[in-house]
Amino acid sequence: QVHLVQSGAEVKKPGASVRVSCKASGYTFSTYYLHWVRQAPGQGLEWMGIINASGGSATYAEKFQGRVSMTRDMSTTTVYMDLYSLTSEDTAVYFCARANYFDPFEYWGQGTLVTVSS
Amino acid sequence: DIQMTQSPSSLSASIGDRVTIACRASQTISSYLNWYQQKPGKAPNLLIYAASNLQSGVPSRFSGSASGTDFTLTISSLQSEDFATYYCQQTFRTPYTFGQGTKVEIK
Repeated sequence: QVHLVQSGAEVKKPGASVRVSCKASGYTFSTYYLHWVRQAPGQGLEWMGIINASGGSATYAEKFQGRVSMTRDMSTTTVYMDLYSLTSEDTAVYFCARANYFDPFEYWGQGTLVTVSS
Repeated sequence: DIQMTQSPSSLSASIGDRVTIACRASQTISSYLNWYQQKPGKAPNLLIYAASNLQSGVPSRFSGSASGTDFTLTISSLQSEDFATYYCQQTFRTPYTFGQGTKVEIK
């Protein structure tokens, strides 16, 4: 069965960077795209971007352009989301989710809480 | 970006009630509209995809419909496990935007 397992909670200071990982298993890694979605405390869901697990190319939401990088490691079937220049506004739970273009997000990771605080 | 407007933002209902949640897209999205249920501390769970298709394993009391850019999620008879927050999402064009959510609470 499909599993997306994310890395653990992080606490960062303003201005720092964070890397969240998402290890995929139970399917052929290269045949699906993965997305990153975040949710600030008590708020709704915000799509951040998509990465092609096969070719490695990524498309980001304009809001995060220049401040986010999504990469993948095919040898470990893991995708990574790096977010730079953190502020308190980046405090959120970050989710990865599997879906090709146009498809619904059927499988999600468990979420990773990133707290940005001085 | 395509804006997704959900209503209401919250509602109170009783067990057995019929509940409807609306979602309007700011432009055409064909049928690329999905509905999710989210409980506190958990990832969203897919209920309905492509506007009206029930995801495998989801109870049949959940249904979705569409009319142009207006979409509706209906719970025919609310159960205790349905108290949660519901989100619509368009996957027609990136950025894949979500509605702001509808919290369904116990009356």
